[in-house]
Amino acid sequence: AQKITQTQPGMFVQEKEAVTLDCTYDTSDPSYGLFWYKQPSSGEMIFLIYQGSYDQQNATEGRYSLNFQKARKSANLVISASQLGDSAMYFCAMRDRPYSGAGSYQLTFGKGTKLSVIP
Amino acid sequence: IAGITQAPTSQILAAGRRMTLRCTQDMRHNAMYWYRQDLGLGLRLIHYSNTAGTTGKGEVPDGYSVSRANTDDFPLTLASAVPSQTSVYFCASSDGYTQYFGPGTRLTVL
Repeated sequence: AQKITQTQPGMFVQEKEAVTLDCTYDTSDPSYGLFWYKQPSSGEMIFLIYQGSYDQQNATEGRYSLNFQKARKSANLVISASQLGDSAMYFCAMRDRPYSGAGSYQLTFGKGTKLSVIP
Repeated sequence: IAGITQAPTSQILAAGRRMTLRCTQDMRHNAMYWYRQDLGLGLRLIHYSNTAGTTGKGEVPDGYSVSRANTDDFPLTLASAVPSQTSVYFCASSDGYTQYFGPGTRLTVL
């Protein structure tokens, strides 16, 4: 069964510093996708970044980048120049084999990492 | 563009009562999902729908039912609520690649 592991229940980072949130995954499917979501204290789930298993380059979205190491099955999120508004829960998730039919697929979530940015 | 809306925002419910959580999306996505989020357990899939007229069971479907009469709406029903269904419920839709989430419904069953 597919599995996502986030080993850091909580992290602290100084404002303006970079931080790496760890994520490892396990799947036997050669085609998969990796996602990071942010959940601030207000509760909504915000999509941040996506990496496909066949993508040659690491994904980047503004201050977010995904350090994808396929052989190690890791997909760490790097946040550069941390801001106070980055304080939130961060979830890594993996999509692999699709359900039958058009467009739906299983998304498996890790248990999350709580990031706190210190002024 | 609203994206995904959920109603109610929060609800306190007596055990044994029937409750329907509403979810509407305006992105014309075929696929929709219902998750529950519990502390320490992350998000777990309850039910999903590939397209209007079809539904399927996720990881934790017991005690819940769904319907998908049209593309936009995907209601989740608790036929007879129990305290273990106290949770935050998220509806999501996808374009085939990324799942986008609604704001959530906080449900407390007493």
